[in-house]
Amino acid sequence: AQKITQTQPGMFVQEKEAVTLDCTYDTSDPSYGLFWYKQPSSGEMIFLIYQGSYDQQNATEGRYSLNFQKARKSANLVISASQLGDSAMYFCAMREGTDTGRRALTFGSGTRLQVQP
Amino acid sequence: DAGVIQSPRHEVTEMGQEVTLRCKPISGHDYLFWYRQTMMRGLELLIYFNNNVPIDDSGMPEDRFSAKMPNASFSTLKIQPSEPRDSAVYFCASSRRRAGIYNEQFFGPGTRLTVL
Repeated sequence: AQKITQTQPGMFVQEKEAVTLDCTYDTSDPSYGLFWYKQPSSGEMIFLIYQGSYDQQNATEGRYSLNFQKARKSANLVISASQLGDSAMYFCAMREGTDTGRRALTFGSGTRLQVQP
Repeated sequence: DAGVIQSPRHEVTEMGQEVTLRCKPISGHDYLFWYRQTMMRGLELLIYFNNNVPIDDSGMPEDRFSAKMPNASFSTLKIQPSEPRDSAVYFCASSRRRAGIYNEQFFGPGTRLTVL
């Protein structure tokens, strides 16, 4: 079974509008963390935002926010006021067993976002 | 501070040749990760180290792959002999253990490997 599922291979959004990128996850571990990374066409991986399984509030970082619905096992990324520079691949990732010290990330297949002027 | 440094950035080699990828983590980071990215399999963990000791190598595809971390500032990923199916982008990432739950991983620019 897929641990991280990103069902949107590609998304389009108009500049200055908000966009939501979907991510669902599967784990039986009560302690886990969810990450979003951005990969522009240049190829580097850029960390955007983190949400811990015990966090009471949704994470926010500037124009990025995470819509965390624990019961539904979803951690959707919301980008507000899209900019042309937001065009990139976006990956959702999970780290399980944060209590046990496991450090590796499992990545989803990614969503390619294109921001149109 | 310099980020994670990887070399070479691009490598083209012929099937059967030995390939060595290099990584310098961010100073002070005690975790180092090697990931591989392909169109078919996406991003997958190969191996990771903590304080230079391999912790999880379950993602290493087969005996042709080996990774070492002789000191805190250097790691290598070696493929011998290389095969066309090893063509991918290989990322090195590092993170630092600190109080709290999360430790984001900082990725290097990647090495694009092409095996002909």
